[in-house]
Amino acid sequence: GENVEQHPSTLSVQEGDSAVIKCTYSDSASNYFPWYKQELGKGPQLIIDIRSNVGEKKDQRIAVTLNKTAKHFSLHITETQPEDSAVYFCAASTSGTYKYIFGTGTRLKVLA
Amino acid sequence: GAGVSQSPSNKVTEKGKDVELRCDPISGHTALYWYRQSLGQGLEFLIYFQGNSAPDKSGLPSDRFSAERTGGSVSTLTIQRTQQEDSAVYLCASSLTGGNTEAFFGQGTRLTVV
Repeated sequence: GENVEQHPSTLSVQEGDSAVIKCTYSDSASNYFPWYKQELGKGPQLIIDIRSNVGEKKDQRIAVTLNKTAKHFSLHITETQPEDSAVYFCAASTSGTYKYIFGTGTRLKVLA
Repeated sequence: GAGVSQSPSNKVTEKGKDVELRCDPISGHTALYWYRQSLGQGLEFLIYFQGNSAPDKSGLPSDRFSAERTGGSVSTLTIQRTQQEDSAVYLCASSLTGGNTEAFFGQGTRLTVV
């Protein structure tokens, strides 16, 4: 069945360093890839998304890259700050379907 | 409303009692999802609504769980005869048409069964 693998499960970085979270999807028809940030006690919030017709998208300190051939997509956070500490989820979805297949999450800790 | 609203935000109930959790999606969103998140875990899909119908109930863990959606808007997730293993955060999300469009989550209902 459809599957999204996410790595690493936990990630600690020093403030100011970069963080990279990687996801791999199984359904080659997937064409929409959102990333969610979940802070403690809150619901997941969409932070950035990418569609399969582009290879990279950037929004200030966050960027997402997509490699359709390898079925990989990654979240990059530069100049990390303590407020970036949260759990991040990737997901994959396909046109004409309703499902979002979520990764298992990455707990990011930014150390001051 | 501005976002997806869930109520209550916290619910403590005794084992064996029934509970109802409510979700108000973003106005105009036809797709609505319920997920369950156990402590420190990922998002477990429960049920999907398109309008008032539920084409996919495959994630409901047992027949003690049911959900309905009325008027293409508000949804209620009901858990009968609650068990301790039902303790989790229940998250609702809505999107304009379903997959391939942005899904917006509510803040969740934290259910504790004692």
